[in-house]
Amino acid sequence: AQKVTQAQTEISVVEKEDVTLDCVYETRDTTYYLFWYKQPPSGELVFLIRRNSFDEQNEISGRYSWNFQKSTSSFNFTITASQVVDSAVYFCALSGAKYNNNDMRFGAGTRLTVKP
Amino acid sequence: KAGVTQTPRYLIKTRGQQVTLSCSPISGHRSVSWYQQTPGQGLQFLFEYFSETQRNKGNFPGRFSGRQFSNSRSEMNVSTLELGDSALYLCASSFLAYNEQFFGPGTRLTVL
Repeated sequence: AQKVTQAQTEISVVEKEDVTLDCVYETRDTTYYLFWYKQPPSGELVFLIRRNSFDEQNEISGRYSWNFQKSTSSFNFTITASQVVDSAVYFCALSGAKYNNNDMRFGAGTRLTVKP
Repeated sequence: KAGVTQTPRYLIKTRGQQVTLSCSPISGHRSVSWYQQTPGQGLQFLFEYFSETQRNKGNFPGRFSGRQFSNSRSEMNVSTLELGDSALYLCASSFLAYNEQFFGPGTRLTVL
């Protein structure tokens, strides 16, 4: 069974603070994909990153960075120097890599509030 | 490139009625997936269509069904609506399997 756990339900920080959102996953597949999505108040899910299970390199995109560690089954997301516009619900998701098993399983989400 | 579009954006129905939601994927995308989002259950996968065939199905009752047309547009139908079906229904499209999915703005369904 595939499962994604985002233990942090809500996080509140002050602007310019760094914040890390945790994501732990479970899967029996050897090949799989991990994703992060952002859901601002408007409701539309915005794609942030996809990582396949064979690529453990950390990724940095501007103020965003991701740390993928297979040894701990974690795919954490860090926002550096947070801004008010980063306020949203962030979802971590896991997808299989088989023809009939590529549905995405989402975590419960972490609501991030960045205060000015 | 236009994003994923969903119609209608808001819908109010009463128990026992049925509803059809529509999704137009990004041009060139052949995979369309549907998700239900509720405060209690979060984001749950409903089903995925690829080239007019349902490839995957989540754990939802048979009242939830869908289809995909030759132009990749998709519809989902919910029959005999229940109060618990009130949710945000999100459609997502991707070019191929395992690619990142791009989501539409959703249809907010309220069942009274």
